[in-house]
Parts: sequence; C-alpha cells; structure tokens
Amino acid sequence: DAKTTQPNSMESNEEEPVHLPCNHSTISGTDYIHWYRQLPSQGPEYVIHGLTSNVNNRMASLAIAEDRKSSTLILHRATLRDAAVYYCILRTSGAGSYQLTFGKGTKLSVIP
Amino acid sequence: DTAVSQTPKYLVTQMGNDKSIKCEQNLGHDTMYWYKQDSKKFLKIMFSYNNKELIINETVPNRFSPKSPDKAHLNLHINSLELGDSAVYFCASSQLAGLAEQYFGPGTRLTVT
Repeated sequence: DAKTTQPNSMESNEEEPVHLPCNHSTISGTDYIHWYRQLPSQGPEYVIHGLTSNVNNRMASLAIAEDRKSSTLILHRATLRDAAVYYCILRTSGAGSYQLTFGKGTKLSVIP
Repeated sequence: DTAVSQTPKYLVTQMGNDKSIKCEQNLGHDTMYWYKQDSKKFLKIMFSYNNKELIINETVPNRFSPKSPDKAHLNLHINSLELGDSAVYFCASSQLAGLAEQYFGPGTRLTVT
C-alpha cells in the first residue's frame, strides 16, 4: 500500500479553521485519498474522500495538490467535538480496495 | 437507529477461554469487516466478508474464526484466548463497491487476564 505521512499532533483554537496536512509522494494514478477520524473511545468515522479535484461536504473540505503528492483536510470552524485522531488513507481502486490501511494519524486538540 | 452495533461493549475473561463478539449492521451493506486496535492505537484489518464470503484474511492466528450467518451479521469467535488478544475490536461495513466509505461500530474492549 502507498504510504502517507502526517504530523503526530496539531492544536487549534475553537471556532478557527484547521488545516490538516498529509503527504503521499508515492501515490499512484488510481489511488483515492480518504480521510477518517476517530473520536475518543469511538470507532473511526468517515470524513471525506477525493481523487483529483477538491471536494466539499458537510463535515469538511479536501484540497488536493495538483501533482497529488499531498492533500489537506480543512475543518472550516473547529469545535470541541472535532478533537480526534485524523487518518489520511490511500485506497487503490483495484484488488484490495476493500481494506483500509490506517497509519498513526494526527491527533487534533481543540482549545476552548 | 444504530447503523453498526457490536455486543458486548466490554469483555473481561481469563486466558484459555473461548469467547465471541457479535456484529450487526442495518445499512443493507454487502461487505463487513473486523479490525483490531492494539494498545498503541494502531488499527489493523483482520477479516473482510462480502455477501457472506471471506475475501480478506490477514495474518491472524487461526484461533480467530469469523462467521457470517447472513450479510447483516459478522461474528468473531476467539478460541484459547491469550494475553496478547487484549485490544479493542471494531466491526465495520460498507457497500460492495470497494471505495465506498466504511461505517464502524462502537468497538468491543476485550481484556484477557
């Protein structure tokens, strides 16, 4: 599986935007970029995914670099409920696409 | 309504015992999974079933045996429990299309003493 690199931890003030970076320099043309998050004592939760174009949904935005070697998850206004570990995951569209390979993720702390 | 549910939420048992964890999803999904999250918080896939058929079986001791009576259920049976089996086990489900998002259950914290 292609690898991703994320900072171990980040801090944000409540109600401010948060930009969570992810490097994936070995991404292939068929790899999709997925983001999940895991709140304390809960199972992971899907956030967003994309291939080439930037994506928006009710939870977040995903900005993908033109060369696709990096991406940024954007939370437009952090709340205390957004404190979680955020995982950036590459998924191929071929065989093995059923599984998610989780890395260490970024632990986001939100300061009131 | 709970989309993916697991029972029990906590399970404390002694070494050598056999135990089962149950998982049910009411989302109509075709694919279900079991993941293990160890004490270092790494999440690793164990098994995946698609329409009651095993499609992923990672390197897991054969003491672990998944059973899917129907596509809404995927149970995990563990024989001869060992201390190293202590972890949080998560069940998940997704639509057949491999890129669809996965929905995770709340987890079962297994403690082997």
